[in-house]
Amino acid sequence: QVQLVQSGGEAKKPGASVKVSCKASGYTFSNNGISWVRQAPGHGLEWMGWISAYSGTTNYAQRHQDRVTLTTDTSTSTAYLELRSLTSDDTAVYYCARAGGHFDSFHDYWGQGTQVTVSS
Amino acid sequence: SYELTQPPSVSVAPGQTARVTCGGNNIGSKSVHWYHQKPGQAPVLVVFDDKDRPSGIPERFSGSNSGNTATLTISRVEAGDEADYYCQVWDSSSDQYVFGTGTTVTVL
Repeated sequence: QVQLVQSGGEAKKPGASVKVSCKASGYTFSNNGISWVRQAPGHGLEWMGWISAYSGTTNYAQRHQDRVTLTTDTSTSTAYLELRSLTSDDTAVYYCARAGGHFDSFHDYWGQGTQVTVSS
Repeated sequence: SYELTQPPSVSVAPGQTARVTCGGNNIGSKSVHWYHQKPGQAPVLVVFDDKDRPSGIPERFSGSNSGNTATLTISRVEAGDEADYYCQVWDSSSDQYVFGTGTTVTVL
């Protein structure tokens, strides 16, 4: 069965960077893109970016494109999110999600989420 | 940028029908997908491409999309349907995924 398993929670200070991993199993990793979505406390879902696991092509949300880098390691079927210059506004649960459908239009499997807390 | 607007909350009695709307400019021309999310859990896809259900999702969940409004309908509501519900589209004009503002469905 398809599974996305994310790395554990992180506590960071303002100005630092964080890198979250998402290990996929149960399907051919290169067949689907991976999106990253975050959810701040008490708020809704916010899409941050997408990466093709086949080509490495990326597409970032406009408001995050200067601070986010998405990468994949096809040898381990793992996707990564790096977020730089952290502020308290980046405190959130970060999810990876497999993009499905004919044009990767929806997200059919999700990781369990990774809590990132930014505090001095 | 493209925006999707949902009502903050919908309340429904057990056994009745809940309807969650998702408003967007000419949303009927896009494919709409719906997720539910229970507290402390990751979102789960319940409807894709306007009206199709992933395997394992009950037939009680259905969707429609026309004009400026997409609708998720939950028939014969059960206590276990209490969750936050989000709509989502792919906006081709900006090459961005967009999520709706979210609706909390409460079973009375």
